[in-house]
Amino acid sequence: EAQVTQNPRYLITVTGKKLTVTCSQNMNHEYMSWYRQDPGLGLRQIYYSMNVEVTDKGDVPEGYKVSRKEKRNFPLILESPSPNQTSLYFCASSRGQGPYEQYFGPGTRLTVT
Amino acid sequence: TQLLEQSPQFLSIQEGENLTVYCNSSSVFSSLQWYRQEPGEGPVLLVTVVTGGEVKKLKRLTFQFGDARKDSSLHITAAQPGDTGLYLCAGASYNFNKFYFGSGTKLNVKP
Repeated sequence: EAQVTQNPRYLITVTGKKLTVTCSQNMNHEYMSWYRQDPGLGLRQIYYSMNVEVTDKGDVPEGYKVSRKEKRNFPLILESPSPNQTSLYFCASSRGQGPYEQYFGPGTRLTVT
Repeated sequence: TQLLEQSPQFLSIQEGENLTVYCNSSSVFSSLQWYRQEPGEGPVLLVTVVTGGEVKKLKRLTFQFGDARKDSSLHITAAQPGDTGLYLCAGASYNFNKFYFGSGTKLNVKP
């Protein structure tokens, strides 16, 4: 089954404790992206990747890091999480650069206390 | 401020009514997508429009891309309870690298 998986689905952590949210897709997609969703703000793009070793900033990259060492994986790293990073995070992938469908993962709800 | 302004934010209607959701911007987009999101899940694509003035129909849903590729609308005819959900529009940058989402329209269709 074609899908995007994220782990963990829920995470409660404390300020400053480094964490990684994993994202994996099994569709051989070139493009992957991370979004955060906050009430009243829709989804905002954090980082995106056009292919392996090619990443770039989205609209709200501060406080986040990403890497794309393999085509299928695109982890999101919070080196020193803060309470304003409490949010619902979505990973998405699409076949490439163009008007293509983005396939979204199920989301990771992160709470930073 | 949002690059894409979506309205209305909330809509509660009776089954069988018609409705229109709007997505407006002062920026030009290479494409405009509409997604629907259910609670606890990620958004799922409904349609992509690319050409200015383009109209696409998906059963009871009609999507339109503005002539200048700055705005879009979603019209639902004879809404059903199964249409309930969060509707999101998303505009793509000129090179399809970045995507800008509207804040969403939460639709509730009562039986």
